[in-house]
Amino acid sequence: EVQLVQSGAEVKKPGESLKISCKASGYIFMNYWIGWVRQMPGKGPEWMGIMYPNDSDTRYSPSFEGHVTISADKSISTAYLQLSRLKASDTAIYYCARGGWHLADTWFDPWGQGTLVTVSS
Amino acid sequence: DIQMTQSPSSLSTSGGDRVTITCRASQSIRKYLNWYQQKPGRAPKLLIHAASSLQSGVPSRFSGSGSGTEFTLTISSLQPEDVASYYCQQTYSIPFTFGQGTRLEIK
Repeated sequence: EVQLVQSGAEVKKPGESLKISCKASGYIFMNYWIGWVRQMPGKGPEWMGIMYPNDSDTRYSPSFEGHVTISADKSISTAYLQLSRLKASDTAIYYCARGGWHLADTWFDPWGQGTLVTVSS
Repeated sequence: DIQMTQSPSSLSTSGGDRVTITCRASQSIRKYLNWYQQKPGRAPKLLIHAASSLQSGVPSRFSGSGSGTEFTLTISSLQPEDVASYYCQQTYSIPFTFGQGTRLEIK
């Protein structure tokens, strides 16, 4: 069974940084794109970026570039999303999701269970 | 960025009804369009990919159609378990934008 399991909920203060993990199982991790999505409270999903673990090719949404870093450790089939200089507006659920072999015409399935990040002073 | 616009934003209809949700792209995205279902407190779940391909395990009452700039998601006979929010997403060009969502309720 293909599965993505994310790290647990986090509470952070403004200005701090955070790294969320997404451990993959049930497939060859390096061969599929893996993406990250933000969902703010009561809002729809927002696509943040995507990485191909095999060669670390990474693409970001302009809305998030410079504020987030996507990385991966192939040896443990785990992707990461790092958020820097956190603000209250970063409070959201963050999801990882598996893409396809190719970047074009891809789709995202399955998704991780989500990681709730709360930023509050 | 490609803008994705869904309509309606919310819908309340009776069980057994046929439901149609529309998604429009601000430019042609060929058939690079996916549909997701999200229930409260859960991650989104893929229903349809490439505009009309039903994801494995998804009930056949769900179907998708369209190409270019206009797409539809149809539920042929609404079931109680279909109460959820539905989102379209284009994967034609980065960033892979989502529609704003359609909240579906049963009367």
